[in-house]
Amino acid sequence: DIQMTQSPSSLSASVGDRVTITCRASQNINAFLNWYQQKPGKAPKLLIYSASILQGGVPSRFGGSGSGTDFTLTISTLQPEDFATYYCQQSDSIPVTFGGGTKVEVK
Amino acid sequence: QVELVESGGDVVQPGGSLRLSCAAAGFTFSNHAMHWVRQAPGKGLEWVAILFHDGSNTYYADSVKGRFTISRDNSKNTVYLQMNSLRAEDTAMYYCVRDRYKNPPPYYFDFWGQGTLVTVSS
Repeated sequence: DIQMTQSPSSLSASVGDRVTITCRASQNINAFLNWYQQKPGKAPKLLIYSASILQGGVPSRFGGSGSGTDFTLTISTLQPEDFATYYCQQSDSIPVTFGGGTKVEVK
Repeated sequence: QVELVESGGDVVQPGGSLRLSCAAAGFTFSNHAMHWVRQAPGKGLEWVAILFHDGSNTYYADSVKGRFTISRDNSKNTVYLQMNSLRAEDTAMYYCVRDRYKNPPPYYFDFWGQGTLVTVSS
């Protein structure tokens, strides 16, 4: 199974900050990496697929990069509605696996 | 618009069974693989199972293999998860999830239902 390791597990930030979350795969997954946002009590929402492609309707302040084993989710200017938990997910092979999540909290 | 509505979650005793349903609307159901993904209280996301668009292929997480069965009825736009021999560690919110593609990989979860809660407890 492909293990996905996210860091940090949590971070504190302020509105307007630039936020970076990293995700590492235990083996090469090319660009088969997706990012999801989950708010409390809600289902996750797809933000970015294929490592860097924004899902329709997702604000352009979200960006993704990376390939192979190392990936990054960046929020360029944090907005109040961005406080949430973010998960990476490898879409390369079964079993599909997720990172442990990164909770973005108010500083 | 795309809608996925899960039902069937309940409190069940260890060793018991439960069948979850997910009714889909707003898209051509038979053009998409479907998944179940679960989330234990306060924990992260765990993929459970996939069923390809025509029912030709199914795959399961090791944690549920041999106990859970995913199926679909394309005439009713519904996907099911039959859960047998339930354990306390199966307690979770279960999400029905649409895959972007008919026959993945890659596996893109582009729409999620709101979930149905399964609690396994005596």
